[in-house]
Amino acid sequence: DGGITQSPKYLFRKEGQNVTLSCEQNLNHDAMYWYRQDPGQGLRLIYYSQIVNDFQKGDIAEGYSVSREKKESFPLTVTSAQKNPTAFYLCATGGLGYNEQFFGPGTRLTVL
Amino acid sequence: AQSVSQHNHHVILSEAASLELGCNYSYGGTVNLFWYVQYPGQHLQLLLKYFSGDPLVKGIKGFEAEFIKSKFSFNLRKPSVQWSDTAEYFCAAENYGGSQGNLIFGKGTKLSVKP
Repeated sequence: DGGITQSPKYLFRKEGQNVTLSCEQNLNHDAMYWYRQDPGQGLRLIYYSQIVNDFQKGDIAEGYSVSREKKESFPLTVTSAQKNPTAFYLCATGGLGYNEQFFGPGTRLTVL
Repeated sequence: AQSVSQHNHHVILSEAASLELGCNYSYGGTVNLFWYVQYPGQHLQLLLKYFSGDPLVKGIKGFEAEFIKSKFSFNLRKPSVQWSDTAEYFCAAENYGGSQGNLIFGKGTKLSVKP
């Protein structure tokens, strides 16, 4: 929505498997972000990237990895090292001169 | 560490009641402040924002928020809520001059409006 696509909407994986969540944007924004949303916890920043081929860890990066090979794309991999991966994952973007962020529809990951 | 606190976890109101949701932040310097809303089944969207100037900011759907620097607060208000305001509301802060666009979010307040 609003130029940010996250797929799939729902994702199920077995414990011990890595899984990659997709985030694509056509807003031409430089910055992209990944958050994790848990009930009663608000949004917590996992990783962010302000330019292509560069990214930084957020507050809860352990067990996650990202890449930023293209401006439009910022995939998030949830690895088997993430102890509690079941959550709602939100991707966001921000442009130069924007301080606000724009959010995608999210992916709900359930690890069985 | 920088933080944003939202005092109410769940607020239940009847239609036409007035709303005030509390938000406090811990930054000592200049700060940009935001309220986001997440309606059921929809993605997070910006309700309003404060960067500078008039401390009373107006947002979409009749919401407003007041920045009180001395109290480190940015409370959200609406004089008369509607059933369609049922949603989760998040306060967020950006440390001006920090990494651009990096926001710290509160834990959210769930608002339920009874018809």
